[in-house]
Amino acid sequence: NAGVTQTPKFRVLKTGQSMTLLCAQDMNHEYMYWYRQDPGMGLRLIHYSVGEGTTAKGEVPDGYNVSRLKKQNFLLGLESAAPSQTSVYFCASIEGGRRNEQFFGPGTRLTVL
Amino acid sequence: GENVEQHPSTLSVQEGDSAVIKCTYSDSASNYFPWYKQELGKRPQLIIDIRSNVGEKKDQRIAVTLNKTAKHFSLHITETQPEDSAVYFCAASIRTGANNLFFGTGTRLTVIP
Repeated sequence: NAGVTQTPKFRVLKTGQSMTLLCAQDMNHEYMYWYRQDPGMGLRLIHYSVGEGTTAKGEVPDGYNVSRLKKQNFLLGLESAAPSQTSVYFCASIEGGRRNEQFFGPGTRLTVL
Repeated sequence: GENVEQHPSTLSVQEGDSAVIKCTYSDSASNYFPWYKQELGKRPQLIIDIRSNVGEKKDQRIAVTLNKTAKHFSLHITETQPEDSAVYFCAASIRTGANNLFFGTGTRLTVIP
């Protein structure tokens, strides 16, 4: 049982390049989330999904897209990366129902030059 | 949306002393308040949580108190140890729908041996 995993762990992009971050969970959780973490700003919600095939915007969705084609995977896409997207990205999931604990992945450190 | 404020941003204590971190929230509908600990370069991990039908919860050296009327909640760590040194985040959410978490900006706790 690996929990929540993220791929890749590190990435450096040039401005304007695109990339996809993959989040996978093997706990059969319904809800999944993408956050970004910047110094002094805590974690901010980018997009989330309450089930397979559904996605919704969070606090800071601009410049990102997501997809949840399979229940266990939640993809975060950057179509045209900007230096302002340099951050550490965390994925999280919860079981749903009465269970609220969010389980976080190990994070992806992204640098956009 | 919900706004969570957290104080102080940094806190240094002598080993064995107590540490207190305070948070306020804005949305009276929030009813779930977790606390996460994040060590350097690691993922956030849940250390304790409290629901709005409870005023206090304790787990060994860690306790959380909630004042719904004043919309604030606090983390108390007693008999601090060097391994308690980390960044601590409070969060708030509504335990229905998407269960989105709104995080405070974090407190860097340093326990001096």
